[in-house]
Amino acid sequence: DIQMTQSPSSLSASVGDRVTITCRASQTISGYLNWYQQKSGKAPKLLIYTTTSLYSGVPSRFSGGGSGTEFTLTISSLQPEDFATYYCQQTSTTPFTFGPGTKVDIK
Amino acid sequence: EVQLVQSGAEVIKPGESLKISCKGSGYTFTSFWIGWVRQMPGKDLEWIGIIYPGDSDTRYSPSFQGQVTISADKSINVAYLQWSSLKASDTAMYYCARQSVVSGSFSDYWGQGTLVTVSS
Repeated sequence: DIQMTQSPSSLSASVGDRVTITCRASQTISGYLNWYQQKSGKAPKLLIYTTTSLYSGVPSRFSGGGSGTEFTLTISSLQPEDFATYYCQQTSTTPFTFGPGTKVDIK
Repeated sequence: EVQLVQSGAEVIKPGESLKISCKGSGYTFTSFWIGWVRQMPGKDLEWIGIIYPGDSDTRYSPSFQGQVTISADKSINVAYLQWSSLKASDTAMYYCARQSVVSGSFSDYWGQGTLVTVSS
């Protein structure tokens, strides 16, 4: 299985801050890296797919980047509704493993 | 409008069997994979497996192989996740999600989740 790690595991930030979350895969995944946002008690929502593509309806303050085994999710200016847990997922090879998540909360 | 609607919460005794469902609507059910994801209380997301309802091709995570069965009935646009003998450690929220394979592979629509509680 491809193992996924995320850093940091949690962070505290203020509204308006720029936030970057890093996701690493245990082997190259050919850019098949997705990001999801999950709020407490709700199903995950797709934010970014295939490393850089912004999913329909997702605000442009979210962006994705990276290649090979290292990927990032950046929120350019954190908004109150962005406080949530963020997960990366590789879909290069089954099982489609998720990272352990990064919880973003209010400073 | 694409929708995935899951069956309701279940409270089950250890050793009992269970089958939960995920009904798709608003798209061609047989043309998209459907995946299942587990989330134990307070924990992260775990990928269970995926099925292509068009031909029932199914893939499992090694962690769940033999522990659950994924199936689909394309005549009624429903995917299933089932257990033959539940354990307390199966207590979790279970999500289904549609897997789109255009320009990559990603879960674009999710069900609302089914909470399974295994307790004597």
